[in-house]
Amino acid sequence: GEDVEQSLFLSVREGDSSVINCTYTDSSSTYLYWYKQEPGAGLQLLTYIFSNMDMKQDQRLTVLLNKKDKHLSLRIADTQTGDSAIYFCAEKDNNNDMRFGAGTRLTVKP
Amino acid sequence: ETGVTQTPRHLVMGMTNKKSLKCEQHLGHNAMYWYKQSAKKPLELMFVYSLEERVENNSVPSRFSPECPNSSHLFLHLHTLQPEDSALYLCASSWRGSNYGYTFGSGTRLTVV
Repeated sequence: GEDVEQSLFLSVREGDSSVINCTYTDSSSTYLYWYKQEPGAGLQLLTYIFSNMDMKQDQRLTVLLNKKDKHLSLRIADTQTGDSAIYFCAEKDNNNDMRFGAGTRLTVKP
Repeated sequence: ETGVTQTPRHLVMGMTNKKSLKCEQHLGHNAMYWYKQSAKKPLELMFVYSLEERVENNSVPSRFSPECPNSSHLFLHLHTLQPEDSALYLCASSWRGSNYGYTFGSGTRLTVV
């Protein structure tokens, strides 16, 4: 099947860097996205990257894109307890609809 | 305030009940979506409405019936649900065809007993 795949869990210590990985399926995707879901809330768009870019940095967030391997990653520098949430990778499919992974639950330990 | 409001936040219903979920957006978007979120599974796209017309129905059972009376409102009518339908139902809106992301509501946590 055509799935966006992510590992389900990641645990880090406060102050460390977190790296959340994702593989996507559609090589023609022009934009790829990272969303954050805090407890009891919907998904919030964190950042996105255009497919002709390899990297995008936004404060503590760095997105890396490897188009050849269809691999996307999100790095959070100096991870804080407030970063604990579920992070979703997403791509636009051929119908221009957003296709999501299952989400990676990030736990930050003090 | 996310710009997309869903009610109710929580719903418990029996398998013989009929209930409706409501979603409202005032962002001026032209597309609205229903997603189902179950634990450890990718978000499942259920329905897409663009300019108030349903453009996708991803093999969703007929016990789920969407309605989009105008560009700001979206409903999901529920009847004779099964326990496996228990999940978080998320509504989102966007400018369909643009590359901007979606704006999500906080979801309705549905429990079918």
